[in-house]
Amino acid sequence: GAVVSQHPSWVICKSGTSVKIECRSLDFQATTMFWYRQFPKQSLMLMATSNEGSKATYEQGVEKDKFLINHASLTLSTLTVTSAHPEDSSFYICSASPSLNAEAFFGQGTRLTVV
Amino acid sequence: AQSVAQPEDQVNVAEGNPLTVKCTYSVSGNPYLFWYVQYPNRGLQFLLKYITGDNLVKGSYGFEAEFNKSQTSFHLKKPSALVSDSALYFCAVRDTSGTYKYIFGTGTRLKVLA
Repeated sequence: GAVVSQHPSWVICKSGTSVKIECRSLDFQATTMFWYRQFPKQSLMLMATSNEGSKATYEQGVEKDKFLINHASLTLSTLTVTSAHPEDSSFYICSASPSLNAEAFFGQGTRLTVV
Repeated sequence: AQSVAQPEDQVNVAEGNPLTVKCTYSVSGNPYLFWYVQYPNRGLQFLLKYITGDNLVKGSYGFEAEFNKSQTSFHLKKPSALVSDSALYFCAVRDTSGTYKYIFGTGTRLKVLA
């Protein structure tokens, strides 16, 4: 199956700093990628839909100035958590799909810990 | 609005017994349905999907699911459970009305007991 690579798999940062997470589709082009946040023992919460060449679409309640999304190419989307605080600590997952009928492929996830 | 429900937070089954993880959905139009599995601190792995065609869908690792339009269900099944099947399972539906985003159920933790 297709591969989506997410990097880094874990990161620890100091409160007030920014962290960038990359999501790459390795063997297909993705005009749309999705970013999720998952709290312990909970489901995935869709944060935003990343659209290549245009602005991301954020879900209600997600601060777009805090979670910056850039989708500059058909194989790369980035999520930057700006001015991170301990409450931003979470597991972040990206996904992409080659087409509407195809399943979504997920990155390995990034465990962010803000200290 | 499209939605997915997984009524069971946890399912326990003895190794070797059949397992069922339940999922019901609500969509406008034809449903695009998926099952994923998640192991601790990992992303989701695709198991199977229903887009169109046969109601019984076979997927990875011996899993299958039956699409039931009248009951709006898409239950995940396996004839004989393995301890290694213990994980978190998510049912999802894809919005085909414009956003194409995936809507996930709350997840069901499957525990297979040796």
